[in-house]
Amino acid sequence: GQQVQQSPASLVLQEGENAELQCNFSSTATRLQWFYQRPGGSLVSLLSNPSGTKHTGRLTSTTVTKERRGSLHISSSQITDSGTYLCAMEFNTGNYKYVFGAGTRLKVIA
Amino acid sequence: DTTVKQNPRYKLARVGKPVNLICSQTMNHDTMYWYQKKPNQAPKLLLFYYDKILNREADTFEKFQSSRPNNSFCSLYIGSAGLEYSAMYLCASSTGATYAEQFFGPGTRLTVL
Repeated sequence: GQQVQQSPASLVLQEGENAELQCNFSSTATRLQWFYQRPGGSLVSLLSNPSGTKHTGRLTSTTVTKERRGSLHISSSQITDSGTYLCAMEFNTGNYKYVFGAGTRLKVIA
Repeated sequence: DTTVKQNPRYKLARVGKPVNLICSQTMNHDTMYWYQKKPNQAPKLLLFYYDKILNREADTFEKFQSSRPNNSFCSLYIGSAGLEYSAMYLCASSTGATYAEQFFGPGTRLTVL
């Protein structure tokens, strides 16, 4: 079945450093969406792009569909960026379903 | 209004008792989803409605029921809660089209004792 692998599983950064989060998927996907979750909180949609590069604020999402991978770049990380980052894929099966990765737990320290 | 609402936000249930969770959206979205999320695990799709058609995942088919009385509301029903049902339950909605983004609600944290 369709699978989504995220790496790294966890990451600790000094404030101000950049983060690169990876998402690899097992078959052709029509959408990649990045979510953020604070501990115990709900999922907040960050960026959604089926292919190419998309920016919002300090976040850049890049999806290379042919290579079945995506990435989320966080520049100049802040302590408030700490939390779990999840990628979700909609695969090309026409059934409107997302498959999620297990997430990358990011901790930004002063 | 692009929000998805869920009630209650927190639910405590006893083993063997039923649980009913509610989700609503006013975006006139065709599709509504229910996910289960446990700590350090990926959200797992349980079922979704496309319009009035219910699709349940094969491995959770018998554990969860759902109803959608109108376009705006969708419920998730557990007939007899077990300890393994303790989790965050997330509702989402979308237009259902390819490339359509899913909008998530704040979740209901269910604890079964």
